[in-house]
Amino acid sequence: TQLLEQSPQFLSIQEGENLTVYCNSSSVFSSLQWYRQEPGEGPVLLVTVVTGGEVKKLKRLTFQFGDARKDSSLHITAAQPGDTGLYLCAAPRGYKYIFGTGTRLKVLA
Amino acid sequence: DAGITQSPRYKITETGRQVTLMCHQTWSHSYMFWYRQDLGHGLRLIYYSAAADITDKGEVPDGYVVSRSKTENFPLTLESATRSQTSVYFCASSESLGRNNYGYTFGSGTRLTVV
Repeated sequence: TQLLEQSPQFLSIQEGENLTVYCNSSSVFSSLQWYRQEPGEGPVLLVTVVTGGEVKKLKRLTFQFGDARKDSSLHITAAQPGDTGLYLCAAPRGYKYIFGTGTRLKVLA
Repeated sequence: DAGITQSPRYKITETGRQVTLMCHQTWSHSYMFWYRQDLGHGLRLIYYSAAADITDKGEVPDGYVVSRSKTENFPLTLESATRSQTSVYFCASSESLGRNNYGYTFGSGTRLTVV
């Protein structure tokens, strides 16, 4: 059973389009992180959200933590080819983090 | 340069051989982790360490051994490699955990193929 479910699994869009990807769980978490992983590299941390309802913006990326701290979303405005990659959410479980299976995004020029 | 370095980047080995993957970090982070990444399974934790000489099993530890005699190094050994251990292995480190976690810093990975 996957504790963190990400959707969609795959997404292919044209440059300039907007998109939202989701990270859902039945568990409540104290915080949640989003990472982006490019081919051949390790994941890189984008943001950490810690408060229910919190919204954080990172240029064209908007992250939201659900009010109940069970889910999160990542919205990208005017996607660019440089946004291509695997987007992973992660949440703490004890002394370690668990990861979702990711959303693989491809932005076509 | 400061960072987290994994070696080798690529490795092909035969079934039954012992293989050691190296991980070195320069930040003196207390916590270090080994994950494997496979299609359909995402990142799965193999082992982690909270400090030198303190290690613990993760989700998929069978067939692997770790040690941490120094804070900066966290090698992962496959005692007798099997084809099911073909994967991409990532080492990560973190300054802290829990609510004040600043996130993991990952290495670039080791792509291991067992033939």
